[in-house]
Amino acid sequence: DAKTTQPNSMESNEEEPVHLPCNHSTISGTDYIHWYRQLPSQGPEYVIHGLTSNVNNRMASLAIAEDRKSSTLILHRATLRDAAVYYCIQSSGGSNYKLTFGKGTLLTVNP
Amino acid sequence: DADVTQTPRNRITKTGKRIMLECSQTKGHDRMYWYRQDPGLGLRLIYYSFDVKDINKGEISDGYSVSRQAQAKFSLSLESAIPNQTALYFCATSDSGLAGAGNEQFFGPGTRLTVL
Repeated sequence: DAKTTQPNSMESNEEEPVHLPCNHSTISGTDYIHWYRQLPSQGPEYVIHGLTSNVNNRMASLAIAEDRKSSTLILHRATLRDAAVYYCIQSSGGSNYKLTFGKGTLLTVNP
Repeated sequence: DADVTQTPRNRITKTGKRIMLECSQTKGHDRMYWYRQDPGLGLRLIYYSFDVKDINKGEISDGYSVSRQAQAKFSLSLESAIPNQTALYFCATSDSGLAGAGNEQFFGPGTRLTVL
């Protein structure tokens, strides 16, 4: 199974940017990087995904390193509602439907 | 109304009982999934289905079975529940979409199952 490495926890202050790192050194050319987050007592929700180029959506930005072995999820202005566990997931080529969730990064946002 | 619903939301049962967890979706998606989550851990895939006639085992299918009654309904059964199946269970859906696409999955609110 494709594996990613994330810090167990990170802390941020409200209204400041947050950069959540992820290493995926085994990534191959057709593997996507997905980010999901899980708010307390809820199911995971999709945040963003990318293949090679940086991606932006209304929730976040995804910066993918040139060698694709790491990526960073960027929350431009953290809010208290962004406190959650963030999962970085590498999906394998033609099996992009198989999401293997690790332990993720617990993000705490301080008021 | 929620797009992906799960029933029941909470269930306490005893060892050896048969339990069925149900999932319904109104998103019109063809793919459906069942995951379990243990405390402090990520989600693990139990079964997934690409359409009504296509059922596949995931990472941890032993002790579980599923039924895809319709495109919108996907049930998970524990034929004889045991305590280590105590967990949070999530159903998810996705659209098959274009090959190689990101395949965003939409999750239900979860079912908390306790097996005594």
